[in-house]
Amino acid sequence: TQLLEQSPQFLSIQEGENLTVYCNSSSVFSSLQWYRQEPGEGPVLLVTVVTGGEVKKLKRLTFQFGDARKDSSLHITAAQPGDTGLYLCAGGSNYKLTFGKGTLLTVNP
Amino acid sequence: EPEVTQTPSHQVTQMGQEVILRCVPISNHLYFYWYRQILGQKVEFLVSFYNNEISEKSEIFDDQFSVERPDGSNFTLKIRSTKLEDSAMYFCASRIDTGPNTEAFFGQGTRLTVV
Repeated sequence: TQLLEQSPQFLSIQEGENLTVYCNSSSVFSSLQWYRQEPGEGPVLLVTVVTGGEVKKLKRLTFQFGDARKDSSLHITAAQPGDTGLYLCAGGSNYKLTFGKGTLLTVNP
Repeated sequence: EPEVTQTPSHQVTQMGQEVILRCVPISNHLYFYWYRQILGQKVEFLVSFYNNEISEKSEIFDDQFSVERPDGSNFTLKIRSTKLEDSAMYFCASRIDTGPNTEAFFGQGTRLTVV
């Protein structure tokens, strides 16, 4: 069974701070996806990383896929209250996604 | 923008009753999924469905669960005899194909409460 461990589980920071959250596994994934989930809603895809060592940027969010394709990180620069939410990583095969437990981020004004 | 829609948004049922959760995937998508999320826990894969048959299912998806695409638009999850531990958010998702960069679109979820 492929498992994804996310850390930290909870993160509370002040507006303007930078942060990094992590997604780690002992298994190799063909791709990893990052989602953001608001309370009472379904996950919304932020990015997919496919190639080992790949770095993708989405405005203030930077996603990195580890060289061995076993881990990934999400870095947010100058966090804003609108970034508050549950950040999930998920590793894929063709027919299913395995999700981590997520990092619950709170950005305080 | 096309979206996956799920009904109802909230379902309360008595233990032992059958429930059917409904989903309308995005119209040109071919791959359909059900996931669940027990309160405070991670999103868990239940089943994937393609070409009118199950592609893969998890150990959670036992004989009490079934899926169906009864017509060209709906995708349903049936739980035959609900248990208290079936209480969770159930999410439907769809994809146009299974390429590594192909996004899975999730619905807003159905909150199932078994009492």
